[in-house]
Amino acid sequence: DTAVSQTPKYLVTQMGNDKSIKCEQNLGHDTMYWYKQDSKKFLKIMFSYNNKELIINETVPNRFSPKSPDKAHLNLHINSLELGDSAVYFCASSLGQGIANYGYTFGSGTRLTVV
Amino acid sequence: AQKVTQAQTEISVVEKEDVTLDCVYETRDTTYYLFWYKQPPSGELVFLIRRNSFDEQNEISGRYSWNFQKSTSSFNFTITASQVVDSAVYFCALRTLKNQGGKLIFGQGTELSVKP
Repeated sequence: DTAVSQTPKYLVTQMGNDKSIKCEQNLGHDTMYWYKQDSKKFLKIMFSYNNKELIINETVPNRFSPKSPDKAHLNLHINSLELGDSAVYFCASSLGQGIANYGYTFGSGTRLTVV
Repeated sequence: AQKVTQAQTEISVVEKEDVTLDCVYETRDTTYYLFWYKQPPSGELVFLIRRNSFDEQNEISGRYSWNFQKSTSSFNFTITASQVVDSAVYFCALRTLKNQGGKLIFGQGTELSVKP
């Protein structure tokens, strides 16, 4: 059983398109995250949801809209894709935003390429 | 401000050499947690270790060992007798109780290349 699963694993699309990445966790965690890893491997948080409530929105363009239908799912929708959106997007989950001793469980990543 | 610095961008060693990956962190919080993750060429992020700010004991797990020193705000990672399979990008990360939303703050990563 995959703990945090992301789909698709690879996504190639043209500029201007709209695309979604889905994430699901079966760990019973209540907090989920989206991280972006750029071409230099730097990992930066984009969003965090706790029990379907948005907790973190780190100056991400409005074209990115997360949606959490329940605490086991956190999807990422991107409108009007740009070349600079090309990156690897990681979903992660953890138990409790305030329980810092827990690390994250990461999904395997979605490599988005905008052409 | 909270920050994690991994000054070594790339390290290249020959198999069986020992190698240390440096990590320096900044935080004003007294309760915090430090992590190391490994990202092999396949791309997934693999959890290696978690250490809390109240536990300065060094830890050893097989060929891996971690040296946590609060006095120098460092949490260094040593691989003994490196192997080709250790080739990966290694990330040090920080999380504090007061961190908004429990976010992990990552260092820039150190790319380790172990040559046969």
